[in-house]
Amino acid sequence: DTAVSQTPKYLVTQMGNDKSIKCEQNLGHDTMYWYKQDSKKFLKIMFSYNNKELIINETVPNRFSPKSPDKAHLNLHINSLELGDSAVYFCASSHRSSGTPGYTFGSGTRLTVV
Amino acid sequence: QQPVQSPQAVILREGEDAVINCSSSKALYSVHWYRQKHGEAPVFLMILLKGGEQKGHDKISASFNEKKQQSSLYLTASQLSYSGTYFCGTEIDSNYQLIWGAGTKLIIKP
Repeated sequence: DTAVSQTPKYLVTQMGNDKSIKCEQNLGHDTMYWYKQDSKKFLKIMFSYNNKELIINETVPNRFSPKSPDKAHLNLHINSLELGDSAVYFCASSHRSSGTPGYTFGSGTRLTVV
Repeated sequence: QQPVQSPQAVILREGEDAVINCSSSKALYSVHWYRQKHGEAPVFLMILLKGGEQKGHDKISASFNEKKQQSSLYLTASQLSYSGTYFCGTEIDSNYQLIWGAGTKLIIKP
């Protein structure tokens, strides 16, 4: 069973469009994250969501909005896509008191804005 | 503050050893280490909590010097499968929010 699954794996879209990326985890973790990884491989935290508390990275444009219907899901909606949004987006989850204390990442969504 | 990883990149022959360092300007609660292979997601290797403990599995181990706010990852007798980019993630306030280093690219040649 996939622990953290993201869909879609690839997303090619035009500037100005709105798109969503879905993430689901079946690990029972209580915290979920969205990361952006650019071409230089730097991992930039965008959002973390723990027990209905949303922590926002202030540098993230408000075109990006996370939505968490429940603890197992954290989706990312992006409005008015720009060329600079092209990157790989990773969802991750964690639970400090679990047997696996590290973050578990999804396989990533490669977003290309043309 | 983003932790500083060094070196930025290293090229080794199979069987050689490598050390990757991660330094922070702030007191740390824990340090995580992850490996990311090309085109894949980062994978958790180990976590070190403050207390100066050393951890390891197989031929990969790490240490954490709480006083120096520094962690080092040791790869012994490197294998081809060790190739990838290694990231440290530092935790300051025990809130499980990690601040990531820029990564160290490790290339292992036969």
